[in-house]
Amino acid sequence: RKEVEQDPGPFNVPEGATVAFNCTYSNSASQSFFWYRQDCRKEPKLLMSVYSSGNEDGRFTAQLNRASQYISLLIRDSKLSDSATYLCVVNTRGFSGGYNKLIFGAGTRLAVHP
Amino acid sequence: DAMVIQNPRYQVTQFGKPVTLSCSQTLNHNVMYWYQQKSSQAPKLLFHYYDKDFNNEADTPDNFQSRRPNTSFCFLDIRSPGLGDAAMYLCATSSSSGTSYEQYFGPGTRLTVT
Repeated sequence: RKEVEQDPGPFNVPEGATVAFNCTYSNSASQSFFWYRQDCRKEPKLLMSVYSSGNEDGRFTAQLNRASQYISLLIRDSKLSDSATYLCVVNTRGFSGGYNKLIFGAGTRLAVHP
Repeated sequence: DAMVIQNPRYQVTQFGKPVTLSCSQTLNHNVMYWYQQKSSQAPKLLFHYYDKDFNNEADTPDNFQSRRPNTSFCFLDIRSPGLGDAAMYLCATSSSSGTSYEQYFGPGTRLTVT
């Protein structure tokens, strides 16, 4: 079983749609959670961190359910520029353990069309 | 602007011919990472440096080596590239002194093996 699992998609949605991505992780000791965005042939970039209480950044809302080991990302009012791959990322080891190890999911591809 | 730089952006090498990829950073981060990412897959951590301490992932082939001559620079050496080593190689940095677990990625080097 992969440590971080995501639906690979693609999700094809029209502009203005609301779309949700889900992710599950296997290590219950995981400490921090993130969504990264990766454009085609580019490097991953941090989109947002995910907190237990849920957090929102403009059109993006992230949720964490530790009991179910489940993370979600909701994008409202999709824009053409949102087309990218969204990587679910889990940190299994804090700095007290020596270094910051991120485990990446394979990503969910989003294509927003006019 | 503080950043992570990778050179070259594109590298073509012949089967079995050693190749070196370079990474430099102006963020003054003490931790540097090398990832391998193949098409439609998650970035896979190869190794990292925590200050001067080198840490190899258990499943990283011996064919991959790394050097970190100073805080700013880190190199990835592939001693005898095979066709299966064709991938995007991503360098990332982070700081262990703060509370953020964010890793900052360079633009990557896309390696082709002929």
